[in-house]
Amino acid sequence: DTGVSQDPRHKITKRGQNVTFRCDPISEHNRLYWYRQTLGQGPEFLTYFQNEAQLEKSRLLSDRFSAERPKGSFSTLEIQRTEQGDSAMYLCASSLTQGVRTNEKLFFGSGTQLSVL
Amino acid sequence: GNSVTQMEGPVTLSEEAFLTINCTYTATGYPSLFWYVQYPGEGLQLLLKATKADDKGSNKGFEATYRKETTSFHLEKGSVQVSDSAVYFCALSDNGSNYKLTFGKGTLLTVNP
Repeated sequence: DTGVSQDPRHKITKRGQNVTFRCDPISEHNRLYWYRQTLGQGPEFLTYFQNEAQLEKSRLLSDRFSAERPKGSFSTLEIQRTEQGDSAMYLCASSLTQGVRTNEKLFFGSGTQLSVL
Repeated sequence: GNSVTQMEGPVTLSEEAFLTINCTYTATGYPSLFWYVQYPGEGLQLLLKATKADDKGSNKGFEATYRKETTSFHLEKGSVQVSDSAVYFCALSDNGSNYKLTFGKGTLLTVNP
């Protein structure tokens, strides 16, 4: 079990540039989640996938944000035309959900720290 | 909407001291409650959880009891160790699933030898 891995660990970009982050979940996990954490705050839910289907998106996820999980394995989160307010830690988590009853345990990655200058 | 309010840190204790980190919540329905811990350089880890009123979650010497009457889920440990130094997050989920969590701001705990 290698855990949830995220790449890169740190990203510095200039305002207006596009950035893309990658998340590799635990291999057998069918659900994948993205959260965002700003300085001094707890993580905030952004979106989640069950296999390749994106099932829910938060209002925090503006149209500049897009997430994909094309083959139901790794996921990417892209931010277009970055703004300084996008500076945050972007966290990925995964879980194994079986059946209707959802009582799964989330496993978080270490996050990608984005700094927009 | 849902919200979680937890004790502001940082909290600094000596080894073997008693720990309490307060957490209160606002939610509709019957949320599940969680404590997550983040050690330096690592991802968030589930520490313990409780899914209904009066349940007690426990793990690694930490405990928290789901108190519906006071809407609280305070984290306690009788004797902290240096290795407990971390950021602790209280969280809830209210939709029957554990994925859409509402977190508190986190409390930094430092335990000195």
